[in-house]
Amino acid sequence: DTVLTQSPALAVSPGERVTISCRASESVSTLMHWYQQKPGQQPTLLIYLASNLESGVPARFSGSGSGTDFTLTIDPVEADDTATYYCQQSWNDPWTFGGGTKLELK
Amino acid sequence: EVQLVESGGGLVQPGRSLKLSCAASGFTFSNYGMAWVRQAPTKGLEWVATISYDGSSTYYRDSVKGRFTISRDNAKSTLYLQMDSLRSEDTATYYCAREDTTVPYFDYWGQGVMVTVSS
Repeated sequence: DTVLTQSPALAVSPGERVTISCRASESVSTLMHWYQQKPGQQPTLLIYLASNLESGVPARFSGSGSGTDFTLTIDPVEADDTATYYCQQSWNDPWTFGGGTKLELK
Repeated sequence: EVQLVESGGGLVQPGRSLKLSCAASGFTFSNYGMAWVRQAPTKGLEWVATISYDGSSTYYRDSVKGRFTISRDNAKSTLYLQMDSLRSEDTATYYCAREDTTVPYFDYWGQGVMVTVSS
């Protein structure tokens, strides 16, 4: 299976820029997607195909990368962005998710 | 508005069965592939199974192959997950999710239903 590795946690102050990384154990082309999950809620789609912003998602969110290295950027971070962020690949079977990065606001 | 509402969860003994349902509304159900994704308590997300828009193709993760069956009733706009021979490691919140029509990412998710496998 394709393993997606994310940093477990980050802490930033409101107004700052934060980058969340996701590294794949093998190439996934650009079939990488990002989700936000707030405590007690279901995940929601933020970015699809590495860099495409889902409709209704604030332009503060952006994604980049291809192959094995991907990044989700939030700029500027707001208090409401407190959540766990997951990457997911759909290039290799089975589809896999990263372990999640928990974003905390200082 | 797209809505996905899961039901059928609960506490079940190891080795027993459970069937989850997901009622869809707000979109043309028969046009979309659908999936189940689960999340064990305090853990990350794990894809479980996918079914094509017409039910002709199904895909499973290895750990549930032969035990779980994904199906759909397009006339009722409902997705199902039949879970047999349940194990403690199947304990999780199960989410129903819609797949995009062209690329397999999950653009809408239900609120989830808890399944606990314990004696």
